[in-house]
Amino acid sequence: GAGVSQTPSNKVTEKGKYVELRCDPISGHTALYWYRQSLGQGPEFLIYFQGTGAADDSGLPNDRFFAVRPEGSVSTLKIQRTERGDSAVYLCASSDRPSGEQFFGPGTRLTVL
Amino acid sequence: GESVGLHLPTLSVQEGDNSIINCAYSNSASDYFIWYKQESGKGPQFIIDIRSNMDKRQGQRVTVLLNKTVKHLSLQIAATQPGDSAVYFCAEKGAGDYKLSFGAGTTVTVRA
Repeated sequence: GAGVSQTPSNKVTEKGKYVELRCDPISGHTALYWYRQSLGQGPEFLIYFQGTGAADDSGLPNDRFFAVRPEGSVSTLKIQRTERGDSAVYLCASSDRPSGEQFFGPGTRLTVL
Repeated sequence: GESVGLHLPTLSVQEGDNSIINCAYSNSASDYFIWYKQESGKGPQFIIDIRSNMDKRQGQRVTVLLNKTVKHLSLQIAATQPGDSAVYFCAEKGAGDYKLSFGAGTTVTVRA
């Protein structure tokens, strides 16, 4: 079956712009996670959804970052007023339960010029 | 005394040899550990996991060792192949937790 997909694969934007990153989890997976991976480092947790609600958004770096999952499936990570320091690979993962194995998507590489 | 493997950011290994990748973790409350493989342009891929009530677990060509006393985790890859070239990350989470904490990665390069 299909794995986790993320679009776009690459996004180049200018400082100050707004961007949206999309994640399609594995069908039926109720848990969805966003991580951010800076160059040369391991992924860092951003936010966790169980169903439609954000159960834990403690990893979001500031209020420019926001994520939604309105129907409990697709999720969108939104970044306002992008800064150069936001440049990273944004990874999405899903699992069939909160403690279950997390399956990662290929990520969206965001570059802020 | 017991030796603790050092974490090295890069590892070069001859094809056919065994590889050992080390990871130190900091949270004593962590009870679940996972090794991931990440190839260029892809997301992390699950390799093998281990719970804190075990000290060794074997998979296909891979073995994970857990030493809770010194909070150390290692991944052994037998008969390393060119397709094993990637960045390897260890990750941990606590009992009942859902978010993973990743360690620093090790870039493995397999020489033909």
